[in-house]
Amino acid sequence: DGGITQSPKYLFRKEGQNVTLSCEQNLNHDAMYWYRQDPGQGLRLIYYSQIVNDFQKGDIAEGYSVSREKKESFPLTVTSAQKNPTAFYLCASSPPGRGLAFFGQGTRLTVV
Amino acid sequence: GENVEQHPSTLSVQEGDSAVIKCTYSDSASNYFPWYKQELGKRPQLIIDIRSNVGEKKDQRIAVTLNKTAKHFSLHITETQPEDSAVYFCAASRGNAGNMLTFGGGTRLMVKP
Repeated sequence: DGGITQSPKYLFRKEGQNVTLSCEQNLNHDAMYWYRQDPGQGLRLIYYSQIVNDFQKGDIAEGYSVSREKKESFPLTVTSAQKNPTAFYLCASSPPGRGLAFFGQGTRLTVV
Repeated sequence: GENVEQHPSTLSVQEGDSAVIKCTYSDSASNYFPWYKQELGKRPQLIIDIRSNVGEKKDQRIAVTLNKTAKHFSLHITETQPEDSAVYFCAASRGNAGNMLTFGGGTRLMVKP
């Protein structure tokens, strides 16, 4: 349900590795977002994109990168520069003028 | 920037009782206040939202109130049921775009049967 698919659901990363989290939506939304969620904390914005081929840093962009080559896809790469990447990552999208109502099911990333 | 404080961090109620979760915000220009419910390991769900031109909004057993002067807003759940058990997040923003939202830290609600 929801029209946003994140994969994988669980991901394990070794120290020093880059990993890419997938986010695909079929809702025809222009705006897409990546959030990070840590235990006991609210969602924090990593990156967002309001249109294809354009994206902006959020509050905690350091150590992450994104691309937006297609309207449907907004992958997030967690680079080795992110020193504490273990978290729950949520992708979201929204139509114009509407609130943030569409989330993917999340990817739980663990560093091993 | 905006700062959103949410209280309490945990709340335990008996089934059938009411539950109230409160949030305060710092930016007087904020005008959109959504609430999300997140069950364990699942995605957040938007359950209700309110804009600054109204003081209260209801949807069945849930309601949100907004006091712009005091810069606080609250979620009220009446006749709680075990399936209401989840983490609830408030948020505030100047617009309703996701990049503008600042989230509270969450409230874990436990409804005891």
